[in-house]
Amino acid sequence: KNQVEQSPQSLIILEGKNCTLQCNYTVSPFSNLRWYKQDTGRGPVSLTIMTFSENTKSNGRYTATLDADTKQSSLHITASQLSDSASYICVVSDRGSTLGRLYFGRGTQLTVWP
Amino acid sequence: EADIYQTPRYLVIGTGKKITLECSQTMGHDKMYWYQQDPGMELHLIHYSYGVNSTEKGDLSSESTVSRIRTEHFPLTLESARPSHTSQYLCASSESRRENSDTQYFGPGTRLTVL
Repeated sequence: KNQVEQSPQSLIILEGKNCTLQCNYTVSPFSNLRWYKQDTGRGPVSLTIMTFSENTKSNGRYTATLDADTKQSSLHITASQLSDSASYICVVSDRGSTLGRLYFGRGTQLTVWP
Repeated sequence: EADIYQTPRYLVIGTGKKITLECSQTMGHDKMYWYQQDPGMELHLIHYSYGVNSTEKGDLSSESTVSRIRTEHFPLTLESARPSHTSQYLCASSESRRENSDTQYFGPGTRLTVL
């Protein structure tokens, strides 16, 4: 069964600290992996996208890594800010259909305290 | 900021009412999607469209229906709302310019509560 599992479910850190969020998936065949940020009451916004051949991608203070062999990804946030408080969702796409079906994780709820 | 809009943002209605959730995008994207999301849970695809006059059901069974008469417009309709329909509904769109880059752009969502 194709699945995307994220950990931790929730995380609280102090402003200025770094953190790493994890994503494990069993989706096959694999096409790409995205990390989305979803603010409360808003739709998700894409942060990074990585294909099979890419093992790291950065977007400002966000750095995503991908190990396609172990089917693991991580999202590292550097020097966290209060505005980083949100849910971070890992999304994996397969190549099994024309639609390029997406499998969503449940997200990690990050809270940054001042 | 993605140019995809949803109205209303919040809706509280009584059981049995007919409702339509609006979704519009100004990016000219051919593909559009509707997702349902409950608090702390993953997004579930309920409808999608490849283009005008194309609509398909997603993975999660839904009593809602959709239409795609114009490229930019993808409304979702519930003929008779029930409390079990209470959820957040997210609309998204995408354009496949090349393989492996089918990024979806999401609207702000509609929070529906059926009493």
